Amino acid sequence: NAGVMQNPRHLVRRRGQEARLRCSPMKGHSHVYWYRQLPEEGLKFMVYLQKENIIDESGMPKERFSAEFPKEGPSILRIQQVVRGDSAAYFCASSPPGANTEAFFGQGTRLTVV
Amino acid sequence: GIQVEQSPPDLILQEGANSTLRCNFSDSVNNLQWFHQNPWGQLINLFYIPSGTKQNGRLSATTVATERYSLLYISSSQTTDSGVYFCAVTAYTGANSKLTFGKGITLSVRP
Repeated sequence: NAGVMQNPRHLVRRRGQEARLRCSPMKGHSHVYWYRQLPEEGLKFMVYLQKENIIDESGMPKERFSAEFPKEGPSILRIQQVVRGDSAAYFCASSPPGANTEAFFGQGTRLTVV
Repeated sequence: GIQVEQSPPDLILQEGANSTLRCNFSDSVNNLQWFHQNPWGQLINLFYIPSGTKQNGRLSATTVATERYSLLYISSSQTTDSGVYFCAVTAYTGANSKLTFGKGITLSVRP
């Protein structure tokens, strides 16, 4: 059973470009979460999705950030018009159906905005 | 929202030593997990432990939910134990399973 797969592992974007981060959950997992980790800090919750639904986006910046988890294919975290402050590690986690089940994390995407 | 505090913030050990890492949380929780972030940035699941005690090799963990804390024990530490240890919880009153992380404990094990 493959783990949570994220790609790309590293992404470099110039200011003003778009960044697309992908996450494929573990097989059988229906819950997907995105977290952001700034240098020397813990992870901060961004958004929680189930198939075709955004359940909680309370941690997402109001502008430029969006997320989806379509019926087919991976979850996508999209950042438009990136700025230097968006540079961070972005982690995806998935968990099985049900409440408060164990979450497993992907290896993260390290976004650098130059 | 729920607050998670970890202590100590930094820990330096000689190889072979034992250590205890602490996680305090400010409210009742449905879920508590311990993670190890290795030097390559990967998050490794250590324990899923909303209550009780678990052991896995040289590591063990105890969560006392009524007193709102969890402890991670590392025995006979090895250099490969180095990295950052995170405690993360899901608030009991939360509408979903999102995790709130502490700031982490940076462990350095010296040979």
